[in-house]
Amino acid sequence: QKEVEQNSGPLSVPEGAIASLNCTYSDRGSQSFFWYRQYSGKSPELIMSIYSNGDKEDGRFTAQLNKASQYVSLLIRDSQPSDSATYLCAVNTGNGGSNYKLTFGKGTLLTVNP
Amino acid sequence: DTEVTQTPKHLVMGMTNKKSLKCEQHMGHRAMYWYKQKAKKPPELMFVYSYEKLSINESVPSRFSPECPNSSLLNLHLHALQPEDSALYLCASSQTDGYNEQFFGPGTRLTVL
Repeated sequence: QKEVEQNSGPLSVPEGAIASLNCTYSDRGSQSFFWYRQYSGKSPELIMSIYSNGDKEDGRFTAQLNKASQYVSLLIRDSQPSDSATYLCAVNTGNGGSNYKLTFGKGTLLTVNP
Repeated sequence: DTEVTQTPKHLVMGMTNKKSLKCEQHMGHRAMYWYKQKAKKPPELMFVYSYEKLSINESVPSRFSPECPNSSLLNLHLHALQPEDSALYLCASSQTDGYNEQFFGPGTRLTVL
């Protein structure tokens, strides 16, 4: 059973702080890793993708991947109330080059307080 | 443009009705997906189409019937649903069915009475 685990949350941070969201995964063969943001009642929106070890920055968002530790994280700098949402970690796994699927974590609810 | 569109936005149906959900993308993507999402849960994969062929069926009950008429369109035909099938139904697409980014549509909120 391929699993993706996220911080249980909810996570509450003050406006302007750094929010740190963490995710671990069980399948060592995983090759691509994604963070989706989902506002209440809306569909998931892709905000970051990362494929190789290290950091990837996009504006206020930084994704970090460590395949040896099977760990992926998302940092949100200068958090804004509009960042308040559920963040879903998703890992793309395949079986020997087929049956690729996204496995999602349960999500972490982030609240940014003004 | 990373837009996936879905219609209708909302659907209410009785257990004896037949209805269809539609999904469309014009990004040239060759993989399309149906997911089901219940409140406060992550999306659950239902079906994957790759190059218009069904490649994954996650043991979904036969009252859900997917169809991919062409590379841009994906339908989900619904028949004899149960109240527990009420959920947000999400369509997504990706360039191919490999390790690529998936982009979600806005979803159809389905209520089965």
